Amino acid sequence: NAGVTQTPKFRVLKTGQSMTLLCAQDMNHEYMYWYRQDPGMGLRLIHYSVGEGTTAKGEVPDGYNVSRLKKQNFLLGLESAAPSQTSVYFCASSRLQGSGQPQHFGDGTRLSIL
Amino acid sequence: RKEVEQDPGPFNVPEGATVAFNCTYSNSASQSFFWYRQDCRKEPKLLMSVYSSGNEDGRFTAQLNRASQYISLLIRDSKLSDSATYLCVVNDGTYKYIFGTGTRLKVLA
Repeated sequence: NAGVTQTPKFRVLKTGQSMTLLCAQDMNHEYMYWYRQDPGMGLRLIHYSVGEGTTAKGEVPDGYNVSRLKKQNFLLGLESAAPSQTSVYFCASSRLQGSGQPQHFGDGTRLSIL
Repeated sequence: RKEVEQDPGPFNVPEGATVAFNCTYSNSASQSFFWYRQDCRKEPKLLMSVYSSGNEDGRFTAQLNRASQYISLLIRDSKLSDSATYLCVVNDGTYKYIFGTGTRLKVLA
């Protein structure tokens, strides 16, 4: 009964390094999302996907890329990490929109860029 | 005006008290409404969906007022374990979920 799983849980990078965050869901959800959350701020949408092979930009997409090659996985990439990308990253998934479909969240990746 | 607005608090209440939070939203076409709970930088967890007729889950009651465009959450008999940030979330029927910045609740012994 895993739900939404994020790996890794913690990571420290140096400025300029690259990395990929993995999100996997086992609920057969069509929609997947990547958010970041900074201290004192709400969740901000980075990128989202409405189905396998499709991705779209959210409100803060700069510096990030995503891919959704398989329905159950949504990858978030940082090509050249910057200190401003230090944050907690949450992945979420949801069903196709009908009425009242909530999002389900992974437990987050805490990323520090030095 | 923010799309979803919440009083950031903190609301400091004694154990056993009743506390209520409101959340206003700007998009009159909003279709689905939720309350999430978030503990200290952990992931948001769904507390309850909010239905037009209002709904209750144990000590928690949620109400929706479409005319005035707000939703509310009432917590009765507060427990220490209720201390958290409560997030109001609104969906417009598409991929888009709009989150409030949250209301902090601290229940005091």
